[in-house]
Amino acid sequence: AQSVTQLGSHVSVSEGALVLLRCNYSSSVPPYLFWYVQYPNQGLQLLLKYTTGATLVKGINGFEAEFKKSETSFHLTKPSAHMSDAAEYFCAVSDPWSSARQLTFGSGTQLTVLP
Amino acid sequence: EAQVTQNPRYLITVTGKKLTVTCSQNMNHEYMSWYRQDPGLGLRQIYYSMNVEVTDKGDVPEGYKVSRKEKRNFPLILESPSPNQTSLYFCASSPPTGAMNTEAFFGQGTRLTVV
Repeated sequence: AQSVTQLGSHVSVSEGALVLLRCNYSSSVPPYLFWYVQYPNQGLQLLLKYTTGATLVKGINGFEAEFKKSETSFHLTKPSAHMSDAAEYFCAVSDPWSSARQLTFGSGTQLTVLP
Repeated sequence: EAQVTQNPRYLITVTGKKLTVTCSQNMNHEYMSWYRQDPGLGLRQIYYSMNVEVTDKGDVPEGYKVSRKEKRNFPLILESPSPNQTSLYFCASSPPTGAMNTEAFFGQGTRLTVV
């Protein structure tokens, strides 16, 4: 079974400050890892993903995440927050060997960007 | 444009009145699934389908039915809706398995209220 824990259901940062959203996972096999963003009244959009290879993954809108196997973490960062980054962010995992392709999501982190 | 289309976007119904939420994708994806999103719980999978006429239960299937008669369509059926099914519902589709084909594409969501 897999699970995802996102620390902090609400995170506030000032515009221009570092964004750090935390994600830890539990999985019996090396998982695929994802970050999705959800803007108000919209569906989920993929920010970035880790499948294999380089553990530092760059995504859209200046976000990146690093897969740390020893810490079972996949934290999302952005050097400088912008007002348009305000949204809800979801970390998710999947089992690459499962044909079910199920995504297991964390509970989400609401990011507020203060002017 | 590649997309997953859900209808309706908003629905208010009464307890016990059967309803169907439609989902259609234009990417020829084999895999489709339904999730519900509730505050503090993230997204949880209801049902998934790996191909036409192949469906299976996710984590929270009680009270829901699905069908997959055509590759592009995956409707979600609530035979007798109850207030605890008030939620935000997302349909998603994914390409065939493979390290490069791991992204799930989400619809815009259907906000269902059962009174």
